[in-house]
Amino acid sequence: AQSVTQLDSQVPVFEEAPVELRCNYSSSVSVYLFWYVQYPNQGLQLLLKYLSGSTLVKGINGFEAEFNKSQTSFHLRKPSVHISDTAEYFCAVTRTGGYNKLIFGAGTRLAVHP
Amino acid sequence: GAGVSQTPSNKVTEKGKYVELRCDPISGHTALYWYRQSLGQGPEFLIYFQGTGAADDSGLPNDRFFAVRPEGSVSTLKIQRTERGDSAVYLCASSLTPGLAGGGNEQFFGPGTRLTVL
Repeated sequence: AQSVTQLDSQVPVFEEAPVELRCNYSSSVSVYLFWYVQYPNQGLQLLLKYLSGSTLVKGINGFEAEFNKSQTSFHLRKPSVHISDTAEYFCAVTRTGGYNKLIFGAGTRLAVHP
Repeated sequence: GAGVSQTPSNKVTEKGKYVELRCDPISGHTALYWYRQSLGQGPEFLIYFQGTGAADDSGLPNDRFFAVRPEGSVSTLKIQRTERGDSAVYLCASSLTPGLAGGGNEQFFGPGTRLTVL
């Protein structure tokens, strides 16, 4: 079985500052990793995903994440945030092979202040 | 093109009543998933359809929950004898058929149905 831990439930940050949202996972098998964003009253949108290859993954809206197998982490980063980045961010995993049953973390609320 | 749609967007019902939640996936997507998101939590997997068949229903919490996808497109999640603990946002997602890459195909999520059981 897989599990995901998002270490921060809330992250406040000022506009144009850098941000890191932390995600650790646990799995006895190989996994794919995802970050989703949920804006208020909207559905989940994929930010980026790691399937294989380069451990640094770039996504939409200037976000990137780095897969670290030894630390079982997949932290999300952005060098300079905007007010419009205020949202809930979810880290998720699914085992490789088979289908895409996603296991989500509890989410991190990013609040960007002017 | 149209994304995943879910109806109704909000549903308020009384304890003990029966409800149906509908999901229209993206055209051509053979895989369909239902998740439930309780307040302050991440989505939790309920059931996965590949075509018309439920390939994995291990996430359904009990036998009051049932889902169908009779023609391999639209899906309906049915909840009998609703309880206050069923209150949550029910999310539907669809994707292309998971291929040899397994979990690589992106899931596209609908806006969800917010169910409130009074």
